[in-house]
Amino acid sequence: AQSVTQPDIHITVSEGASLELRCNYSYGATPYLFWYVQSPGQGLQLLLKYFSGDTLVQGIKGFEAEFKRSQSSFNLRKPSVHWSDAAEYFCAVGPVDQGGKLIFGQGTELSVKP
Amino acid sequence: ETGVTQTPRHLVMGMTNKKSLKCEQHLGHNAMYWYKQSAKKPLELMFVYNFKEQTENNSVPSRFSPECPNSSHLFLHLHTLQPEDSALYLCASSQGAGLGVNEQFFGPGTRLTVL
Repeated sequence: AQSVTQPDIHITVSEGASLELRCNYSYGATPYLFWYVQSPGQGLQLLLKYFSGDTLVQGIKGFEAEFKRSQSSFNLRKPSVHWSDAAEYFCAVGPVDQGGKLIFGQGTELSVKP
Repeated sequence: ETGVTQTPRHLVMGMTNKKSLKCEQHLGHNAMYWYKQSAKKPLELMFVYNFKEQTENNSVPSRFSPECPNSSHLFLHLHTLQPEDSALYLCASSQGAGLGVNEQFFGPGTRLTVL
């Protein structure tokens, strides 16, 4: 069965420190891959996406993610975290044979210490 | 209006009430989705509509009744809900099945509380 795993439920980093959020997926082929961010009381906003090509993708707000086929991973990174990055982050996969359907991970809540 | 809008943003209802959630997308998309987001649980896909036709119902109880009159509008009709139905209900849209990549755009959600 297709699945997405975000191993870290909650991460706390200091402002200015680097960040890496982990995402692993289970799927028979290379799916479309997404990272979304959700601020409290808000909907989900797309940070970045991977469809094909260069395995390092750049997104909004200074985020990037790297697709590693051998590890079935799509980890999100940011070199220097800002207090405004505190939010919940969701990794999602879009199986290429299932139209618009997305499968979401359970989310990682990011807290930022001053 | 741009993107995906949802009304109301907050809703409190009793278990015997009937209410409706509304979603509208201004992106020219052909697929729309309802998700339920409960505290400490993953996003749950409820319904999918492609070109106004329901293509997925993830075993959602019949007290939730979706309606998609056209590709821009999606409703979720609620009746005789239970307290455990309290959650954030998110609407999303995408280009549509068979139309390439399936990036979804989300609305801000309706925070539903069932008393």
